Order: sequence, then structure tokens, then C-alpha cells
Amino acid sequence: KNEVEQSPQNLTAQEGEFITINCSYSVGISALHWLQQHPGGGIVSLFMLSSGKKKHGRLIATINIQEKHSSLHITASHPRDSAVYICAVYPPISNFGNEKLTFGTGTRLTIIP
Amino acid sequence: GAVVSQHPSWVICKSGTSVKIECRSLDFQATTMFWYRQFPKQSLMLMATSNEGSKATYEQGVEKDKFLINHASLTLSTLTVTSAHPEDSSFYICSARYRTPWSPLHFGNGTRLTVT
Repeated sequence: KNEVEQSPQNLTAQEGEFITINCSYSVGISALHWLQQHPGGGIVSLFMLSSGKKKHGRLIATINIQEKHSSLHITASHPRDSAVYICAVYPPISNFGNEKLTFGTGTRLTIIP
Repeated sequence: GAVVSQHPSWVICKSGTSVKIECRSLDFQATTMFWYRQFPKQSLMLMATSNEGSKATYEQGVEKDKFLINHASLTLSTLTVTSAHPEDSSFYICSARYRTPWSPLHFGNGTRLTVT
């Protein structure tokens, strides 16, 4: 079982729909990244969060440390949101010197016009 | 925001030759850079962690002599795939961060390597 699980693996939706991508992890973490990988391969860091909620434009990320769960929401989805979304976690701060990200397997999102 | 430039974006080379991939942080000092490999439809696999001025730390199973990493300055790290073989064909991507652990990571756009 992966330490970081994402669901769904694939998601196809109509333009304008509200999108939710989930990430659950089984290890202790200090922070969590949500990344967006475009079809060309480039990766953009969307959010880095360790508690609560962050919002940027149409994107919202939430994290519940107790439940070891994070969600990425996209409101009013658009075809240009089509990409692979990856969540990745940092180990606890006590692991200083070994601060490597553990990646989820990604969620492939396709938004149909 | 911070920009990481990776070059080349794609390269085709013949078996047995070496290929160098550059990763530059354009507007910040990248004390640590990470090199990843990604197979089709799979997630990123960390190959090595590179700290400026010191030897890279390789992940288990990654051949140091095959994937040479140099991080000679605070803005440049290079990955050289030596004596490339078709099985080295993959997507390679770097990321960089400034100084403190758990600070935000900034990714390059990746390099697609095809070895014929």
C-alpha cells in the first residue's frame, strides 16, 4: 500500500463542474504539496499547506491533519485545467536532513468543453 | 514567483553517448536541488538530492557512475547520463528550493530523453 493515496485516479468532467481530488496519507507529515503536471510534463506547485485551507483563484486546498487527508477543489472547471494533479508530502520536521517528498500516484483530470 | 529553467526540453541521442541536462534557478539561490525520473503514467521517482558544493546523495538503486550529478553553484545543477542506453529513455525533471527544508519546491519543465 502506498504511503500517499490519491482518488480518483482518473476524472473526466464537463466544463463548469466542481472538481474534488482527494489525497490520503498514512505517515506523519509536516506539510503537503499539491502539484499540477501539464501534458507537456512541466510541474507547477499549486499549494503547500500544513493546516487549514488555502485559496488561489478557482483552486482551493484543504488539509485535515488528524484525519490525514487533503482535498483539492476546482470551481468552475475549464478545459485548461486538464492536467495530472499530484499530492506530495514532506516528512515530519524531526526528520531533518531527510526531507524528501513522498508522491501520490496522481489524478488525471480531463475537462470536456 | 521563483523560476527554474531546465535545458534541454528534449534530446535524442545514440546508444553509448552521454547527455547533460542543466537545471538553473533563475531568481533565487537553490541550496538544494532534486533530480527525478518519471516513467509514462507513473509518478515522480527521486533519483538524487544535490546540495551546493557537496556530493549528491543518491537513492537506492540509482547508479552513481551512470547518473552524474554536479551542483557547483547556487544556481546550477547538472545531471549527466553517461553511456546512455535505450532503457535510460525517460522524462527527467529537477526541482529546487532555497536553504530551509520544507520550503516550497520549484520545478523545471523537464527533459524528455530518447536513446536510440
